[in-house]
Amino acid sequence: DAGVTQSPTHLIKTRGQQVTLRCSPKSGHDTVSWYQQALGQGPQFIFQYYEEEERQRGNFPDRFSGHQFPNYSSELNVNALLLGDSALYLCASSLILSGEQYFGPGTRLTVT
Amino acid sequence: SQQGEEDPQALSIQEGENATMNCSYKTSINNLQWYRQNSGRGLVHLILIRSNEREKHSGRLRVTLDTSKKSSSLLITASRAADTASYFCATPGGSNYKLTFGKGTLLTVNP
Repeated sequence: DAGVTQSPTHLIKTRGQQVTLRCSPKSGHDTVSWYQQALGQGPQFIFQYYEEEERQRGNFPDRFSGHQFPNYSSELNVNALLLGDSALYLCASSLILSGEQYFGPGTRLTVT
Repeated sequence: SQQGEEDPQALSIQEGENATMNCSYKTSINNLQWYRQNSGRGLVHLILIRSNEREKHSGRLRVTLDTSKKSSSLLITASRAADTASYFCATPGGSNYKLTFGKGTLLTVNP
């Protein structure tokens, strides 16, 4: 039973570029949440998707957008990258009625 | 703003000793969760304790919850070098949609 997978593992982008990160949830899970974790900090909630719709959003600008596909996988898109977007991006999956979230290994994004 | 705050920020102990980490939070919760993170990688879910529970055990882990004090503690008994990691408490939003994390406790277990 595969857990949560994310791709790519690492990514280096230049300021102003756009990036897409991908996540496949744990088998049987229907909900995907995205978090940003800056160095030395705890993860910060970006948004959550269920039934292909954004259910809740954290305090992140519109440059951050997402999508959930019919197979429950999800993408996180960030436009007009800033140096401050450099972070570990974590995807977590869960069942909508459960508070327990399972995290993937993360994507390390570096913006130069 | 952060809901949970872990204390201490860093903890260094010897193998075999017990490690205790504390978490304080601000608003009412349905449950509180503890996670472990190794070397900046993905988080591993350790334990979930519901608001109507006072104590929960899982292997060498013991979690307590005091809703009157809005605090929780995580005890790791007989620590091992492999327990070296950052530990976070997390509380869900009102609808369990999002988790709010503290800054974590960095635990170092010296062999």
